[in-house]
Amino acid sequence: ILNVEQSPQSLHVQEGDSTNFTCSFPSSNFYALHWYRWETAKSPEALFVMTLNGDEKKKGRISATLNTKEGYSYLYIKGSQPEDSATYLCASHTGTASKLTFGTGTRLQVTL
Amino acid sequence: DAGVIQSPRHEVTEMGQEVTLRCKPISGHDYLFWYRQTMMRGLELLIYFNNNVPIDDSGMPEDRFSAKMPNASFSNLKIQPSEPRDSAVYFCASRSDLAGADNEQFFGPGTRLTVL
Repeated sequence: ILNVEQSPQSLHVQEGDSTNFTCSFPSSNFYALHWYRWETAKSPEALFVMTLNGDEKKKGRISATLNTKEGYSYLYIKGSQPEDSATYLCASHTGTASKLTFGTGTRLQVTL
Repeated sequence: DAGVIQSPRHEVTEMGQEVTLRCKPISGHDYLFWYRQTMMRGLELLIYFNNNVPIDDSGMPEDRFSAKMPNASFSNLKIQPSEPRDSAVYFCASRSDLAGADNEQFFGPGTRLTVL
């Protein structure tokens, strides 16, 4: 994998459903993997920064896992709420470059 | 800290005019990034600075775009002359490098540019 890829592109779930999405990134020269939450008309807000293989981070109902050897990360949302509706971006930080390479995001819509 | 500050928040201009977007990073952050968000390309990095020095400007679309960081607390992105296809939301972000790879990158509120 040369670029950061996210799937699915969009997701529509009902309130109370649990959901997850995937971020694939280049596994060579891995440095860190960032997850962001981006609400419409706002700026991206950092959720997690993950660096260690096997790492799992949690913030409320949202958690993320990391596999640096195979180059993927999962973001989970338990019991989705309408306020979780946003685009979830992941970004890879590789090698010694200081820039992040962003995926195109997964747009989540949670309805009542 | 007030976070990353960008101005103006909205800019509407006519084709051919010069546009200047401004950014004040979080105090103490070593890195400053300029991004552009469009429907077609998503979030793309234009240029970034480390300690006020431009490191990678490979994302700058063409010579009409330029960016400077004269000091640690200010950067501007200029488009001259502007074209309708430059219409987008421009985000500035900053990050500290004190602890290495696991520092969060903080985004400003963005400037929505419309070129008529």
